[in-house]
Amino acid sequence: GDSVTQTEGLVTLTEGLPVMLNCTYQSTYSPFLFWYVQHLNEAPKLLLKSFTDNKRPEHQGFHATLHKSSSSFHLQKSSAQLSDSALYYCALSEGADRLTFGKGTQLIIQP
Amino acid sequence: DPKIIQKPKYLVAVTGSEKILICEQYLGHNAMYWYRQSAKKPLEFMFSYSYQKLMDNQTASSRFQPQSSKKNHLDLQITALKPDDSATYFCASSQLGVAETLYFGSGTRLTVL
Repeated sequence: GDSVTQTEGLVTLTEGLPVMLNCTYQSTYSPFLFWYVQHLNEAPKLLLKSFTDNKRPEHQGFHATLHKSSSSFHLQKSSAQLSDSALYYCALSEGADRLTFGKGTQLIIQP
Repeated sequence: DPKIIQKPKYLVAVTGSEKILICEQYLGHNAMYWYRQSAKKPLEFMFSYSYQKLMDNQTASSRFQPQSSKKNHLDLQITALKPDDSATYFCASSQLGVAETLYFGSGTRLTVL
């Protein structure tokens, strides 16, 4: 079945340094990939998703590139901000009825 | 204004009791979902519904029963509650289709004593 593997646990970075959260997936078909972000005591919300035409999605300084050859969709940002501290989920969609989420990566940005 | 309303926000129950979690969405979406988030299994898919019909079910236990009285409502009835059911339950909705964005409600945090 579908599965998503992402950098597990806690990632702590200093403000201003680059961010990279890993996400790899296993899927029978060519899925769409997503990154969702959940701030403390809030609901998860979409950060960005892959395009069919291989454009690189970007939002709030974050970007991710879908590499089908390596089954990856890593999340990157050139310079971390304190407000980026949150729980990040990578997810994939093969069909129309559900998203399969990874276990989440807790990102903490410290001054 | 929140477009997906979940009630209650917090819920405390005793082992063996029954509770209903309420969800209404006002985004005009034709698909609704329940996800569960706990320390053990973050964001676990439970059910998906479209036009009041079950599309997919990933919950092994029959103690969890979704109920849809209207197309923009999807409640979750949980019977014979156990401490392991303690989690935050998120309702979500989307337009039915591949790669459609999932919108989440603010969640119901359930604690079973």
